[in-house]
Amino acid sequence: DAGVTQSPTHLIKTRGQHVTLRCSPISGHKSVSWYQQVLGQGPQFIFQYYEKEERGRGNFPDRFSARQFPNYSSELNVNALLLGDSALYLCASSSLLAAGPPYNEQFFGPGTRLTVL
Amino acid sequence: GNSVTQMEGPVTLSEEAFLTINCTYTATGYPSLFWYVQYPGEGLQLLLKATKADDKGSNKGFEATYRKETTSFHLEKGSVQVSDSAVYFCALSDLRGSQGNLIFGKGTKLSVKP
Repeated sequence: DAGVTQSPTHLIKTRGQHVTLRCSPISGHKSVSWYQQVLGQGPQFIFQYYEKEERGRGNFPDRFSARQFPNYSSELNVNALLLGDSALYLCASSSLLAAGPPYNEQFFGPGTRLTVL
Repeated sequence: GNSVTQMEGPVTLSEEAFLTINCTYTATGYPSLFWYVQYPGEGLQLLLKATKADDKGSNKGFEATYRKETTSFHLEKGSVQVSDSAVYFCALSDLRGSQGNLIFGKGTKLSVKP
């Protein structure tokens, strides 16, 4: 079975531009979460979507937005890119809403490497 | 707020050496605790987990015990291999609200030399 897939693999943008990152969850998973991983740091939670509704938002500015489609795939959009947005963007899917007990594992994709020049 | 602190790397060991990577956490309530591993150029993989105090998670020779009294979840392996070279992240589930998403430490890079 296919795991979580993300596209594109790499992306180079300039400051002020807009970017859209895409994620397809594991078949049957209805929850998608997005994380930002800056070089040398751990991933930071951006958004969680479940059944096409936003269920959680991390401490990120309004330039960041996301949505989930009827087939449970998801897009992360970032407007007015800044140099500091350069990072690996990770998507994770899970079958249930919560990651706490009763625990359900979050499965991570390989990420999209965004470079802002 | 909730947070995870893990020992800074990089950690360099010889093959068959004993590994300990320290992780402590701050959290309200009773979060689940995890260790994830990230191999070069790849996403995160769950290595092991523990969902309540005194639980021991184990996988592929790695172990970690959920210690509520010391708020710790240290990762150990008795004999590391070159193939264990990767970045290891300690994480907890953020149970505030209903989201239950993950809060990660900064990661510890492990290099194992033959």
